[in-house]
Amino acid sequence: DQQVKQNSPSLSVQEGRISILNCDYTNSMFDYFLWYKKYPAEGPTFLISISSIKDKNEDGRFTVFLNKSAKHLSLHIVPSQPGDSAVYFCAAVDRGSTLGRLYFGRGTQLTVWP
Amino acid sequence: DTGVSQDPRHKITKRGQNVTFRCDPISEHNRLYWYRQTLGQGPEFLTYFQNEAQLEKSRLLSDRFSAERPKGSFSTLEIQRTEQGDSAMYLCASSHENRGRANTGELFFGEGSRLTVL
Repeated sequence: DQQVKQNSPSLSVQEGRISILNCDYTNSMFDYFLWYKKYPAEGPTFLISISSIKDKNEDGRFTVFLNKSAKHLSLHIVPSQPGDSAVYFCAAVDRGSTLGRLYFGRGTQLTVWP
Repeated sequence: DTGVSQDPRHKITKRGQNVTFRCDPISEHNRLYWYRQTLGQGPEFLTYFQNEAQLEKSRLLSDRFSAERPKGSFSTLEIQRTEQGDSAMYLCASSHENRGRANTGELFFGEGSRLTVL
C-alpha cells in the first residue's frame, strides 16, 4: 500500500519558469516531510523539508508547501534551471515510530529545457 | 571523500547464488539504514541499526536476507539463494542521532549497489 504518492511520473519545464511537483499522502501519523533529489548513478540527496506544524518552508529557489487537511504537499522551484533536471522523491516520516524510516513516493522525473 | 560508501557498485549473479554488499557510513554516524529501490519505485525501508544493534526489520526482509553491523561502523547485507525478484538497487544511508536534522529523517545516502539476478 503506497502511503506516499507522486502521481506525475514526469514533468517538463522551460528554463526560468516555475516547476511544481506534487505529492499526496494517506497516513495522518506522518509529521515530517522531505524532498530528495536524485541524479543518475547517484544516491538520493536531501533537498528541503517541512514539519507538519508549518505550511511553508523556503530555501533559496526551493519552497515546499504543506496542506495538512488535504494531505498534500508540493515543491516549487523558481526559477527552474537545467541543472535541476533529476528525479525528485517526496518522503514522509512518523517521528513517533522508527526515526529514519522514510516512506517514499515513486518519484517525478523533472526535465528543465533551455 | 567522506560520504557514504557502498561496494560493489554493480553485481551480476545467477539465481541461487549468494551475494554480499558492504556499506561504510559517514564517520561518527551511529545510525545506518538499508533501503531497496526497484525499477519505477521509490526507495523502500529494509532495516535499521543504531550502533551495532539492529532495531527494526521490514517485512520486505525475508529469511534469505541478513544484515549485520558488528562493530557499529560498516555494515553488510547478505542475500542468500538469490531470486530474480531480488534484482534492485540496494541503498545504504546513515545519520547521527543528535546532529542536524537526523531526528527528522534526513538521511545521507550512498550511491547504491545494483544487483542483477539472471
